Order: sequence, then structure tokens, then C-alpha cells
Amino acid sequence: GEDVEQSLFLSVREGDSSVINCTYTDSSSTYLYWYKQEPGAGLQLLTYIFSNMDMKQDQRLTVLLNKKDKHLSLRIADTQTGDSAIYFCAVNNAGNMLTFGGGTRLMVKP
Amino acid sequence: DAGITQSPRHKVTETGTPVTLRCHQTENHRYMYWYRQDPGHGLRLIHYSYGVKDTDKGEVSDGYSVSRSKTEDFLLTLESATSSQTSVYFCAIRLAVRDTQYFGPGTRLTVL
Repeated sequence: GEDVEQSLFLSVREGDSSVINCTYTDSSSTYLYWYKQEPGAGLQLLTYIFSNMDMKQDQRLTVLLNKKDKHLSLRIADTQTGDSAIYFCAVNNAGNMLTFGGGTRLMVKP
Repeated sequence: DAGITQSPRHKVTETGTPVTLRCHQTENHRYMYWYRQDPGHGLRLIHYSYGVKDTDKGEVSDGYSVSRSKTEDFLLTLESATSSQTSVYFCAIRLAVRDTQYFGPGTRLTVL
């Protein structure tokens, strides 16, 4: 089945850019998503990218997709302390189920 | 929040007891999902439903059953809870637009 991998932890200073990376195995995925989870809360959909796109920008968020390498990244510009959270990438599979990565905990230092 | 509520939000139970978690939605979505979240594993699919009385297994379905007798409610049952089922359980609905899933607030279950 699908395998989605993320690094566990990222620490940045406030105002810097953050880049969270994700790799996946199933090349037939149609949509790829980024979710944010704050402590004690559910998952909030941040953004998504369709598999025929290379890049998508949404305010401070930029999603890059490299289909050849099966690599997805989320860049957060001007990272703020409120961006501290766990970020999950998720990949849409056949049958419209999602496979999630293990999550990357982003810590933003003032 | 896509009109999703989960109950209870927290539950502590003992090994061997039955437990039922409820997911309720107000927007008539056809697809509903149950996931569990454990450290380092992200979210893993337990069961999902594609309509009333239509359900299927996910990646980690052993020890769990589900029922959907009404569009708005999707129930997850642990017939005989075990300590390995201590987890946070999330319900989700799927929108037809971009196949996006929206999540409920979660239920934290502790099995002693």
C-alpha cells in the first residue's frame, strides 16, 4: 500500500521561512494535502495541490510537488509563533481514502 | 468545522468493556471515516462508510466494528476494549469537491 514519510521535527526562528517535506510512494495519487494540528485539536485543512500541478501559492503558504521524485513540500513564509503545530501531509489514493504521514512538529522560537 | 461533532470527547474505560463512539454530521455528506491517531503513526483509517448501511474496512480494523443506520450518524464500537486501543479517535467527512476530508474534534479514549 501507500507509504508517506515525513521528518519528525523542525525548529525555526520567528520571521524565518519553514520548509516541511514529505515523500510518498503511489504515483497514481490525484490530490495531496497539508493539514495542521494544534495541541488538543482536530486536523485543519491548510491547503492542497492537484497532481498535475507543480506549485500552488496561498498567502504565506507555498506547496511544491515533484512528481518524478514523489516529493511534496510546504513552505511557510515569515513563520510566526502561531504556526507552531504538527503538520501532516496526506495523499489521496484509489477509492478516495487518505494515507497520512507521521507528522512534522514545527517549533517556532521567538 | 463542517458540522461534525464527536461524543464523548473523553472516556476512560477498563479492559474488556464495550465502548461506542459517536460521530454526528449536519450536512448530509455521503462519506464518513473513522481514524485513530497515535504518536509517530499519523492517522490510520479504521473503517469508512459510503452510505447508510454501507461500510468497509480500513488499514487497522481488527477489534473495531461500525454502523451507519442514518446518514448523519456513524458509530464506532470496540466490542471488548484493550489497552492497545488507547488512542485519539477522529471522525471525518469527505466533500466531493477535491475529495477533501474535514475532521471532527476527536475523542480521547484511555483503556486501563
